[in-house]
Amino acid sequence: QSVLTQPPSVSGTPGQRVTISCSGSGSNIGNNYVFWYQHLPGTAPKLLIYRNSQRPSGVPDRFSGSKSGTSASLAISGLRSDDEADYYCATWDDSLSGPRELGIWVFGGGTKVTVL
Amino acid sequence: EVHLVESGGGLVQPGGSLRLSCEASGFTFSSYWMYWVRQAPGKGLVWVARINNDGKTTDYADSVKGRFTISRDSAKNTLYLQMDSLRAEDTAVYFCTRLTFGNYYGDYYYYMDVWGKGTTVTVSS
Repeated sequence: QSVLTQPPSVSGTPGQRVTISCSGSGSNIGNNYVFWYQHLPGTAPKLLIYRNSQRPSGVPDRFSGSKSGTSASLAISGLRSDDEADYYCATWDDSLSGPRELGIWVFGGGTKVTVL
Repeated sequence: EVHLVESGGGLVQPGGSLRLSCEASGFTFSSYWMYWVRQAPGKGLVWVARINNDGKTTDYADSVKGRFTISRDSAKNTLYLQMDSLRAEDTAVYFCTRLTFGNYYGDYYYYMDVWGKGTTVTVSS
């Protein structure tokens, strides 16, 4: 069971807007930045969003991220067929860190986006 | 361009060993922490092991502690994962990934930015 909770799947038709939620707690999302990754099986996971809402160079502005309290979300607008993939939220968890120099990196369980 | 390429996966019997490699290119390998992350069939991503930039600090998930060893060779720009006493539950795709950092008005933060495509490990008799 993942520390961060995501819905297993979301779906939409081409052109629609879909949202993926990511729920955590005060020791992870509530106290750290959130990151989002897109993963197509057989390929390298791709960084989509960093520092809650920032897009790396090359990521379309159809992808947007936000964070409020202990939850975060990823929105995909203008849904396209090539957006079909698994999406993961991730952050640090301070309660799991113990004596470690860095905290423990935790992922959500992943959300499969299907374009109908 | 930054690249990470994993290799070394395969089929191994329970109790066996395997060594994964991750060859890095396009960046100063010795400047970055590196991670191994795995994805079991039908499951999500989970970190397995990490190593600091000079190789002197390592850390492991509880599920692999005492069985896996992460290491790096900066002369070869290569990250390794030695996996011993393998179990069926270690079956997964293993990814190597780079930990980078950002600075937002003096607030330093770290995150995984570049990933390889992964190598598949199957533990079965």
